[in-house]
Amino acid sequence: QQQVKQSPQSLIVQKGGISIINCAYENTAFDYFPWYQQFPGKGPALLIAIRPDVSEKKEGRFTISFNKSAKQFSLHIMDSQPGDSATYFCAASPASGGSYIPTFGRGTSLIVHP
Amino acid sequence: NAGVTQTPKFQVLKTGQSMTLQCAQDMNHEYMSWYRQDPGMGLRLIHYSVGAGITDQGEVPNGYNVSRSTTEDFPLRLLSAAPSQTSVYFCASSRPNRGDNSPLHFGNGTRLTVT
Repeated sequence: QQQVKQSPQSLIVQKGGISIINCAYENTAFDYFPWYQQFPGKGPALLIAIRPDVSEKKEGRFTISFNKSAKQFSLHIMDSQPGDSATYFCAASPASGGSYIPTFGRGTSLIVHP
Repeated sequence: NAGVTQTPKFQVLKTGQSMTLQCAQDMNHEYMSWYRQDPGMGLRLIHYSVGAGITDQGEVPNGYNVSRSTTEDFPLRLLSAAPSQTSVYFCASSRPNRGDNSPLHFGNGTRLTVT
C-alpha cells in the first residue's frame, strides 16, 4: 500500500507564481518529513525538512506547512523560477526507534515557464 | 569530499547477463540503501544495510543481491538481468537517528538498459 500519497503528479506554473505540492501519510509513527529535489540526470538532494513539533518551516522561497491532525504536509515554492523546474519528492520516516527507512511519495514533476 | 559515488553511469545488458553496480560513500554513514526509479513509480527501495555485515530486503528485492563487507561500499548485483530491470538505480546513505541530520545523501545514479 502507498503510505505516502503525493499530488499532483505534474505541475506547470508561470515564473513568479506559487507552486504547491501536497503529501498525505498514514503511519502515525512518522516524525521526520523531508522534501527532496531532483534535477535531470542527478540524484535527489535534500531541500527542506520538518518535524511535527512545528507547523511551518521556511527556508528562503521554500516553505513546508505541516498539519499533524490531518496527517498532511505540503511544499510551497514562492516566486517560482525556471531554475526550480525539477522533480520533487516528499518522504516520511520515524526518527527514532531503530526503523529510519524513509517512505517516499511518487514525485511531482514541476515545470516553471519563463 | 566526494559523498556517494556510483559507477558506472550507464550500462546496457542483454537478458540473462549479470553485473554489479558499485556504490561507495566517504561520509562514514552507517545506513546505505539502493533504490530504483521508474516513471510514475517514484523511488522504490530494493535493499538496505544498517551497517557492515547487515543487509535486509526492501520493497522490490527480487532479482537483486547485496553485501556490505565494509562501511564504505554497498554493491548491488543483478543475478540474471531481465528487461523489467531497465531503470535508473540510486544508492543513498545516511546517519540514522541523528535528529535533523537524518536525510539521505544520494549518488547520481546508474541508468541501466536490459535488451
